Amino acid sequence: DAGVIQSPRHEVTEMGQEVTLRCKPISGHNSLFWYRQTMMRGLELLIYFNNNVPIDDSGMPEDRFSAKMPNASFSTLKIQPSEPRDSAVYFCASSGYTSTDTQYFGPGTRLTVL
Amino acid sequence: GENVEQHPSTLSVQEGDSAVIKCTYSDSASNYFPWYKQELGKGPQLIIDIRSNVGEKKDQRIAVTLNKTAKHFSLHITETQPEDSAVYFCAASFFQGAQKLVFGQGTRLTINP
Repeated sequence: DAGVIQSPRHEVTEMGQEVTLRCKPISGHNSLFWYRQTMMRGLELLIYFNNNVPIDDSGMPEDRFSAKMPNASFSTLKIQPSEPRDSAVYFCASSGYTSTDTQYFGPGTRLTVL
Repeated sequence: GENVEQHPSTLSVQEGDSAVIKCTYSDSASNYFPWYKQELGKGPQLIIDIRSNVGEKKDQRIAVTLNKTAKHFSLHITETQPEDSAVYFCAASFFQGAQKLVFGQGTRLTINP
């Protein structure tokens, strides 16, 4: 099993540019999660999906952030326009449906906004 | 909502000694408590978990205990080795359409040879 796949692994962009992060969950998993990790705020849950439907996006910091899951094997997190304070490591994770299924994390995308 | 507090934030122990990391949670509805290890440049990886109907679980050198009454759980690593050096996160989970994890702030564990 390839695990959760994220791309790109590193992204450097300038303030105001659009950034799109991509995630492929583990095959057969029906829940997908986007997290952001910073030194100041730790690991924060941004949004999560179940069966491709967004369940809770209360962690999305601003309207500049949006996420989609068009099918069971692909999700995107988009930031438009990007700002320096968006610099962080963004993780995607996937799991099965039950309340005790393990969440498996991807390797993360390190985003730097100049 | 759920809140998870983790202590200490940093921990340094001699190789071969034991390390203990403690977490408390606020929501009594939480029923699943995983521990993740994060190495530099990598995503968090599950190392052990415990469910609310169990008080203790052990896997080789790693053990986790859960006290539901007091709402706290702990990670114990015995016979520590240099490769145990990493950041460890506890989390509490409750089900809200999907499994929702709330993480502690992390503990940076350093094993001194």
